[in-house]
Order: sequence, then C-alpha cells, then structure tokens
Amino acid sequence: NAGVTQTPKFQVLKTGQSMTLQCAQDMNHEYMSWYRQDPGMGLRLIHYSVGAGITDQGEVPNGYNVSRSTTEDFPLRLLSAAPSQTSVYFCASSYSGVTNQPQHFGDGTRLSIL
Amino acid sequence: DQQVKQNSPSLSVQEGRISILNCDYTNSMFDYFLWYKKYPAEGPTFLISISSIKDKNEDGRFTVFLNKSAKHLSLHIVPSQPGDSAVYFCAASGGSNYKLTFGKGTLLTVNP
Repeated sequence: NAGVTQTPKFQVLKTGQSMTLQCAQDMNHEYMSWYRQDPGMGLRLIHYSVGAGITDQGEVPNGYNVSRSTTEDFPLRLLSAAPSQTSVYFCASSYSGVTNQPQHFGDGTRLSIL
Repeated sequence: DQQVKQNSPSLSVQEGRISILNCDYTNSMFDYFLWYKKYPAEGPTFLISISSIKDKNEDGRFTVFLNKSAKHLSLHIVPSQPGDSAVYFCAASGGSNYKLTFGKGTLLTVNP
C-alpha cells in the first residue's frame, strides 16, 4: 500500500518555466489537497478537491492551477514559476475532508526557482 | 493575521519526562483541532485530534486538552521518548470540512 506518492522529490526550475507536480493516492480517497511549507511557516493550503472534477481554492492559490480528472491523481501546475514559489510542497488525501478523517500526506516535493 | 499560533519554536525535554506543547487560536469559528507530527524529509503524520464539544482526548501517551474560553489547546506527551523528537503542528478547522489552518510548528527534542 503506497499511500500518497509525490513526484519528483526535488526539482530546480528557472524563473518563467512551467512544471507539474504529481500526486497520486491508492486509498480511494475523495478529498485531496496541496499545501506549501516555507521556512518558519506552517503548512498553507493552495488548492483542494472533494472529488473527480471538483476543485476549489485554498489560502494561497495564486500562481497555481489544479485539475482532478480521476480519483487517484491530483496534479499541481505552475504555469510560470517565480522565485516566491520556492518551497516544499505537500499533497494530502483523506476519505472526505479534514475533520474526523485525518489526512495522509506524501513526503513532499522540494522546489527551487532560480 | 495568524489564526493558529504556536509561540514556542522549540522545546527540549529529558527522556521520561512530560512534554507540553501549546497552541492558541483566534478564530471563534474553529471547532475541530488536530496535531500532526513531522520528521525531517517526510510528510506530516496525524497524531491526535479533538472536537470542540470535548475538553480532553487521550490516546496512549498523548493527551490533548482544549480550553475553549481561553482559545487554547495543549498536547501532553507522557513519558517522552527520543523517537518523539520531531516538529509538531497544531491545526484547526471550522465552518468548512475542507480547510485546515496550521500553526508554524514547535520543534520538540527529547534528550536521552
């Protein structure tokens, strides 16, 4: 049982490049989410999805796009990377939300924008 | 405006003693609280949670206390073990089942 798998684990981009961070879960979870963690900061919600075809914005959505075409996958797209997007990105999933059913997190993608 | 505050960036305790991690919140709409533990280079893992209808929840060595009037919660770890050394995040939810607000975390170091 792999849980939540994030790829790649590390990535260096140049300003203006685009990239997709991949997230896949094998637990048949309906709810998936993306967070970013910056030094000295807690995790901040970027986007979330409550099921295939349904996505919504979190606390810091600007500069990021998401889509959910299958239950298993929830990719995060950076259309034009900026140095301010240098961060560690975590994907998480749960059966139906963030209360009563704790989220399972991936091990993160460390992204540097030069 | 930081709605979930963990004012102690770090805490050091001796093995076998009690660890107390504190968390304050400002949003009165929060009604569910969780603690996550995070080791370096790994994602956070769920530890324990509490609903606002309770004031205490216990799971083995871990107990969370909630004081709604003070908008304060604390995580007690007894006895502390070296393997407990990690960053602990307090998180809160309210009004929506789909959004969590995290604190900045507290680095706990348990010394043998």
